[in-house]
Amino acid sequence: DVKVTQSSRYLVKRTGEKVFLECVQDMDHENMFWYRQDPGLGLRLIYFSYDVKMKEKGDIPEGYSVSREKKERFSLILESASTNQTSMYLCASSTGQNQPQHFGDGTRLSIL
Amino acid sequence: QKEVEQNSGPLSVPEGAIASLNCTYSDRGSQSFFWYRQYSGKSPELIMFIYSNGDKEDGRFTAQLNKASQYVSLLIRDSQPSDSATYLCAVIVRGYQKVTFGTGTKLQVIP
Repeated sequence: DVKVTQSSRYLVKRTGEKVFLECVQDMDHENMFWYRQDPGLGLRLIYFSYDVKMKEKGDIPEGYSVSREKKERFSLILESASTNQTSMYLCASSTGQNQPQHFGDGTRLSIL
Repeated sequence: QKEVEQNSGPLSVPEGAIASLNCTYSDRGSQSFFWYRQYSGKSPELIMFIYSNGDKEDGRFTAQLNKASQYVSLLIRDSQPSDSATYLCAVIVRGYQKVTFGTGTKLQVIP
């Protein structure tokens, strides 16, 4: 079974803090993704990566950055957290193009 | 126009009935289609994927794809209360890595 592990289930931070969300997959998947999910807006893609050190902007990259130094790990960084970044953050991975994505359990992030 | 559209529901069906969930998409270059189930407070879980026109069955689930009409549907036979969840339709356009998700249909199976 594919295992995608997100470092925290719940996280509370303050505005202006730099926040790191970590994601690790154990299936040697090429592609990794970061989404946020908000009521009524569905899943929105923030960034994705199809190879080590490669990254592509998704639909809502503003205020975020990512890092992929190793194939199994994909980190999402909130450079200066703001209250409108309070959300559920979901990491996913897939083997390659056109393949289904497998999700981690999510991190519910609250910015106060 | 949204790229992937789903009726938000809720869709209510009695236990044992067939639940029919529908999804339309706008890009004719779409070539991969997925259905995810998401329980409240949980992450999406893949339940079906389909790439070719026609039907694909897996247990109580059947995915149906009609590329000419640009829709994909999910049928759940013998619906159970445990099927109550939000079902997300997802699409990948040919040549692209990213997946576009619909906002989901909430299904309620009434005992």
